[in-house]
Amino acid sequence: DTGVSQDPRHKITKRGQNVTFRCDPISEHNRLYWYRQTLGQGPEFLTYFQNEAQLEKSRLLSDRFSAERPKGSFSTLEIQRTEQGDSAMYLCASSTGTSKNIQYFGAGTRLSVL
Amino acid sequence: AQSVTQPDIHITVSEGASLELRCNYSYGATPYLFWYVQSPGQGLQLLLKYFSGDTLVQGIKGFEAEFKRSQSSFNLRKPSVHWSDAAEYFCAVGAGNAGNMLTFGGGTRLMVKP
Repeated sequence: DTGVSQDPRHKITKRGQNVTFRCDPISEHNRLYWYRQTLGQGPEFLTYFQNEAQLEKSRLLSDRFSAERPKGSFSTLEIQRTEQGDSAMYLCASSTGTSKNIQYFGAGTRLSVL
Repeated sequence: AQSVTQPDIHITVSEGASLELRCNYSYGATPYLFWYVQSPGQGLQLLLKYFSGDTLVQGIKGFEAEFKRSQSSFNLRKPSVHWSDAAEYFCAVGAGNAGNMLTFGGGTRLMVKP
């Protein structure tokens, strides 16, 4: 396994711009999760996919956020009209989806909105 | 809804000393419990997990944790800390529903004195 891969590692953008992050899960992991981690806090759940189906979304995921997993493999998280409050680390995790669900995390994408 | 509390935001120990990081959870049923470690700018690495059975679980890097249902606790321990253990430690609870999304505590930052 090559692990969970996230791209880019760092993104600096101006307020109002759109950004997109990519996550490649461990191969054959059918569950994929997105979390957000602000400075000094623990990660907070945003959304998850079972294969290509998005099954759960947190209320933290405002209308400006959208996530996709079109072929049940990689996933993208897009933030439209970024705000300074969106500055955070965005973490992706994947798992096999069995009942005892161990999630493996990527290194994250650090977003800074100026 | 589940929640996790890590009462200690920062802990400093001397190299070679023992370590205990506290974690208290709130969850209505038998929880799935995890400890993750995060080095600066990195993602989360799984240290150990508890699903059922023996309440003392062993993990990587010499860490162990004990599940105490009566105290709703899952404290992390290590008998002798190494300088490389300096990092942030997160306790998490996984709900037993289909999504198994994780709820994290706020983290404990460990500093190791030489």
